[in-house]
Amino acid sequence: DIVLTQAPLSVSVTPGESASISCRSSKSLLSSKGITSLYWYLQRPGKSPQLLIYQMSNLASGVPDRFSSSGSETDFTLKISKVETEDVGVYYCGHRLEYPYTFGAGTKLELK
Amino acid sequence: EVQLVESGGGLVQPGRSMKLSCAASGFTFSNYGMAWVRQAPTKGLEWVATISYDGSSTYYRDSVKGRFTISRDNAKSTLYLQMNSLRSEDTATYYCTRGYKMDAWGQGASVTVSS
Repeated sequence: DIVLTQAPLSVSVTPGESASISCRSSKSLLSSKGITSLYWYLQRPGKSPQLLIYQMSNLASGVPDRFSSSGSETDFTLKISKVETEDVGVYYCGHRLEYPYTFGAGTKLELK
Repeated sequence: EVQLVESGGGLVQPGRSMKLSCAASGFTFSNYGMAWVRQAPTKGLEWVATISYDGSSTYYRDSVKGRFTISRDNAKSTLYLQMNSLRSEDTATYYCTRGYKMDAWGQGASVTVSS
């Protein structure tokens, strides 16, 4: 199984500042079709997860452009610029390269 | 508006069965593969099973293979998860999700396996 390792496990950010979350894969997530199969999700407290980023760098519908993602075949970074109150929650990376699909352990973002 | 509404959760004894349903609306259900993802209390997300848009292909994580069955009724726009021989480690909130992106999620159905 592909292991996704997120860091840090928690981050505390001053509103208006930026935050970065890392996700490292045990295997290249670059598919034979040239697509990097890395996704980011946010689960706000008490809510269902929501898609933020698909195929490494594409913003999901309705997601503010304060969110961005980049990376290589195995190392990825989610950046949140100008953090707002609504950004609080747990961020998960996940892959769709092969079965079983797996997720990272999650990174909890809190406000200072 | 895309909506996914799960139902059928609750308390069940170990070894017994339970069937979850997910009613979809706001999109053409038959165009999308669907999946179940679960989350144990205070834990992270865990993919459970996926079914293709027409139901012809299904995929499972090893720990549920042979015990869980994912299915769908495109005429009713409904996704199902039949869970047999339930174990305490199956206790979780079960979410249905849309497509390979998982770009829509239901509110979740809580399943507690306990005697």
